[in-house]
Amino acid sequence: DADVTQTPRNRITKTGKRIMLECSQTKGHDRMYWYRQDPGLGLRLIYYSFDVKDINKGEISDGYSVSRQAQAKFSLSLESAIPNQTALYFCATSDSGAVETQYFGPGTRLLVL
Amino acid sequence: GQSLEQPSEVTAVEGAIVQINCTYQTSGFYGLSWYQQHDGGAPTFLSYNALDGLEETGRFSSFLSRSDSYGYLLLQELQMKDSASYFCAVTANDYKLSFGAGTTVTVRA
Repeated sequence: DADVTQTPRNRITKTGKRIMLECSQTKGHDRMYWYRQDPGLGLRLIYYSFDVKDINKGEISDGYSVSRQAQAKFSLSLESAIPNQTALYFCATSDSGAVETQYFGPGTRLLVL
Repeated sequence: GQSLEQPSEVTAVEGAIVQINCTYQTSGFYGLSWYQQHDGGAPTFLSYNALDGLEETGRFSSFLSRSDSYGYLLLQELQMKDSASYFCAVTANDYKLSFGAGTTVTVRA
């Protein structure tokens, strides 16, 4: 079984809808991250969490919110989806002592119409 | 903030050697990582350099010069399966990874 899982893997939604992307991990890591990937722009950090009680904004948090429900679960919400949020979204985890070594989920491909 | 530059594309033939350079401007620099991502897949960790010098892992090596704010990933004995995107990423005193835009490596037969 995969260590980091994401659901759904693909999603099509309409402008203005609220959607949630979910991430679960079995690695026992404290730190979890949400990234967005657009062609030619690499991976950009949306939000990150160093433990259950800690949530931090990344470089592109506007229009997004997160919830760390448990050590193993970190969800990303788009409050009111817009077309320029169409992208590939990745969840990742790391051990607290090795932030440079991150383990990524398979990604969620989101299309906002 | 963090700023990283790496070439957008590199093409080479099987068996060749490819070097992907990465220059960075980072405050509170800790180290430089490299990730590989196959088309449609998740990024996977390749290597990390915190100190100056060369780290070798099989056919792949990574180098760092902290004084020059520069590093590179060396891919030797290229194979078709090495066709992928490669990202450099810096870790700084904010305990986050900041990624470059990625280099697409295409290996031709």
